[in-house]
Amino acid sequence: DAKTTQPPSMDCAEGRAANLPCNHSTISGNEYVYWYRQIHSQGPQYIIHGLKNNETNEMASLIITEDRKSSTLILPHATLRDTAVYYCIVRVASRGKLTFGQGTILTVHP
Amino acid sequence: GAVVSQHPSWVICKSGTSVKIECRSLDFQATTMFWYRQFPKQSLMLMATSNEGSKATYEQGVEKDKFLINHASLTLSTLTVTSAHPEDSSFYICSASGSGGNTGELFFGEGSRLTVL
Repeated sequence: DAKTTQPPSMDCAEGRAANLPCNHSTISGNEYVYWYRQIHSQGPQYIIHGLKNNETNEMASLIITEDRKSSTLILPHATLRDTAVYYCIVRVASRGKLTFGQGTILTVHP
Repeated sequence: GAVVSQHPSWVICKSGTSVKIECRSLDFQATTMFWYRQFPKQSLMLMATSNEGSKATYEQGVEKDKFLINHASLTLSTLTVTSAHPEDSSFYICSASGSGGNTGELFFGEGSRLTVL
């Protein structure tokens, strides 16, 4: 599975959009981009995933560059409850296991 | 999303005893379940892959005789930490994927925090 690079930490003001970047320059054509988050002392929570098109759901939007070498997770109106570690993971859909990197610690402040 | 439940959510045990953690998929059949371990301020590390009706596959460095995994049904996998020691204290998390038709998202349990005294 391709390796990802994320900034170790980011801050965001409550109510503003949080844009979390992820680099995955070695991604293969059949690998998806997945985003999960982990709030302190809880199991990871699935957010969104995509292959090459931009995706949006009730939680977030995922923007994938045309060359698929990077992506951005957008939380449109961050709240204090969005403070968590956000993991960007790329893998082939059928491979099963997820390999977690260090992620980005997002802190949303009042 | 699909629901995965773990039990117990936390457990304290004495050194040398064994502890069993259950992972259940509540609203779907999970052909494969994964067990992770997370130490404080670290990321999740995959321990093993559990397939229903067959032996688990362990990651390098994980002792299969110490961490016994049983996946006897499509909705239940168990992790037993045998002869637990303080260094086994950790946050254990399971995840599950359904059978076919999806694009691979996994769903995670709430985690089980083990403290070995």
